[in-house]
Amino acid sequence: GAVVSQHPSWVICKSGTSVKIECRSLDFQATTMFWYRQFPKQSLMLMATSNEGSKATYEQGVEKDKFLINHASLTLSTLTVTSAHPEDSSFYICSASPFTGVGSGANVLTFGAGSRLTVL
Amino acid sequence: DAKTTQPPSMDCAEGRAANLPCNHSTISGNEYVYWYRQIHSQGPQYIIHGLKNNETNEMASLIITEDRKSSTLILPHATLRDTAVYYCIVRVPGNQFYFGTGTSLTVIP
Repeated sequence: GAVVSQHPSWVICKSGTSVKIECRSLDFQATTMFWYRQFPKQSLMLMATSNEGSKATYEQGVEKDKFLINHASLTLSTLTVTSAHPEDSSFYICSASPFTGVGSGANVLTFGAGSRLTVL
Repeated sequence: DAKTTQPPSMDCAEGRAANLPCNHSTISGNEYVYWYRQIHSQGPQYIIHGLKNNETNEMASLIITEDRKSSTLILPHATLRDTAVYYCIVRVPGNQFYFGTGTSLTVIP
């Protein structure tokens, strides 16, 4: 089945630094990937839709300059948390599907294992 | 943005069937119902999905009402490893998955 890999699985950084999280589709190509954030005891919140070769689409209230998304290839999307602060500490999860677009409602979205960011 | 409502928590005795309800009264005709579960500190795991007909796989069964306004996920013989948060999701056009609050299922020995 489809596998989505995230790296790193956890990261600790100092306040003010930038952190990059990678999301890879291992055995399929994904023109679209999705980034979520999850705070403790809360549900997953969709942050942005990452589109290969074009700009990401951000959900309302998500700062695009804070959370930089680059989808440079059909198997890799990266999320960079710029100038991280303690309030950015969270669990970041990506997901992808081999098929998107019209008629793809039946295609399963596969999630990565998540990346836990702690900003000191 | 989530189009589903679920009870916040449920308990189930080990070995018994766990029936998790979900309301999606505003679902549109071409929108699928998906179920995922999340075990603590892991990414969501796909369980099952359906459009109109009831579905069954090795993990669970999905019962969708005829009017499609609600559905039930059935875990036929719950085990302790089924303890997790279960999310019912309606997949909107454009393919985004918006998660609701989910149901925290606790399987009791």
